[in-house]
Amino acid sequence: GQNIDQPTEMTATEGAIVQINCTYQTSGFNGLFWYQQHAGEAPTFLSYNVLDGLEEKGRFSSFLSRSKGYSYLLLKELQMKDSASYLCAAYNNAGNMLTFGGGTRLMVKP
Amino acid sequence: KAGVTQTPRYLIKTRGQQVTLSCSPISGHRSVSWYQQTPGQGLQFLFEYFSETQRNKGNFPGRFSGRQFSNSRSEMNVSTLELGDSALYLCASSFSTAAKETQYFGPGTRLLVL
Repeated sequence: GQNIDQPTEMTATEGAIVQINCTYQTSGFNGLFWYQQHAGEAPTFLSYNVLDGLEEKGRFSSFLSRSKGYSYLLLKELQMKDSASYLCAAYNNAGNMLTFGGGTRLMVKP
Repeated sequence: KAGVTQTPRYLIKTRGQQVTLSCSPISGHRSVSWYQQTPGQGLQFLFEYFSETQRNKGNFPGRFSGRQFSNSRSEMNVSTLELGDSALYLCASSFSTAAKETQYFGPGTRLLVL
């Protein structure tokens, strides 16, 4: 079966750092995507991790541990516009299929 | 390069009707996947097409079907609509089906079934 868990909601302060965790149990796992989705809009790609370790891209970084079935998205220097839902998704290359977690709604407060 | 486009953006139907949604992938992309997003279930995979062939299908009833044309454009059809089919339907395209390929999402079609 496929199971992906992430917190439902998080709140952080502008300028701070926040870490959004994601744990997964999926078959045929080939990588972990993170998407950002603002209300009423389509998900937009943030990162894709295939190998263990941390990948940094500007204010956003993503980490993967395949042995632990764990990933996190790290957002630094939070801005108000970072208020959105963050979706982690496991990629299954058997069918080019993404299995999504429920999403974490992040609220950034002044 | 134009992004993924979906039409229509909004749709209101009544129970029992059928609906067809369209998705045009990014130019050059041959894989199109469809997802249903609802507040309760989140984003769920419907099916994926590559070179006009359905390669994978999610856990949805047979009322949900799709197809892909030779120009990679894809349509999905939902017959005998139910209230629970009200959702945002997203399609995503990628160049190929390789694991490293990012899937790019369209703006979605918001379907309301009354």
